[in-house]
Amino acid sequence: QQQVRQSPQSLTVWEGETAILNCSYEDSTFNYFPWYQQFPGEGPALLISIRSVSDKKEDGRFTIFFNKREKKLSLHITDSQPGDSATYFCAASANTNKVVFGTGTRLQVLP
Amino acid sequence: AQTIHQWPVAEIKAVGSPLSLGCTIKGKSSPNLYWYWQATGGTLQQLFYSITVGQVESVVQLNLSASRPKDDQFILSTEKLLLSHSGFYLCAWSRDWVQDTQYFGPGTRLLVL
Repeated sequence: QQQVRQSPQSLTVWEGETAILNCSYEDSTFNYFPWYQQFPGEGPALLISIRSVSDKKEDGRFTIFFNKREKKLSLHITDSQPGDSATYFCAASANTNKVVFGTGTRLQVLP
Repeated sequence: AQTIHQWPVAEIKAVGSPLSLGCTIKGKSSPNLYWYWQATGGTLQQLFYSITVGQVESVVQLNLSASRPKDDQFILSTEKLLLSHSGFYLCAWSRDWVQDTQYFGPGTRLLVL
């Protein structure tokens, strides 16, 4: 079973702080890693993604750091806002039409 | 603009009864289509994907089946529901393959009693 693990399971930060969400995987053939944001009762939405040829991807307040050797990624959310409170999923895929989602991190940003 | 619709919004069904969930994508021809299942508070599990009409690939066996009768329609079904089928069913589409951005629908909430 291909696995994608995330930590912590839940995270609480204050408004303005940086939230760091971690992700690790086992399958070395994975080469594409999207991060999804999901609000309760809704479908997830793509937040940011990275391919294994890169070690960093930035989009506004969201940055992915990728360590291919250790098979680890992290999502940094700077200047966290209460509206960022959601569940975040790391996912992974190889050169197929299959994707594996991680276990998720529930983020709460307190005002 | 592309839109994705799922029906019904929610269902309460009895164990052993049949089920049919639908998904329609408008504004995009020949999309790749996907079905996912999400347990309450859990992760997403990819169930099926389809790259063209009439062709569906199974990713995991959960006593469910899927069909793509039209270019813009994806159907998830079973003849006999299990308690373990309860959860949130999500349809998604992408332009070409899974490494293109996947756009998810609003989901169908299913409770099996």
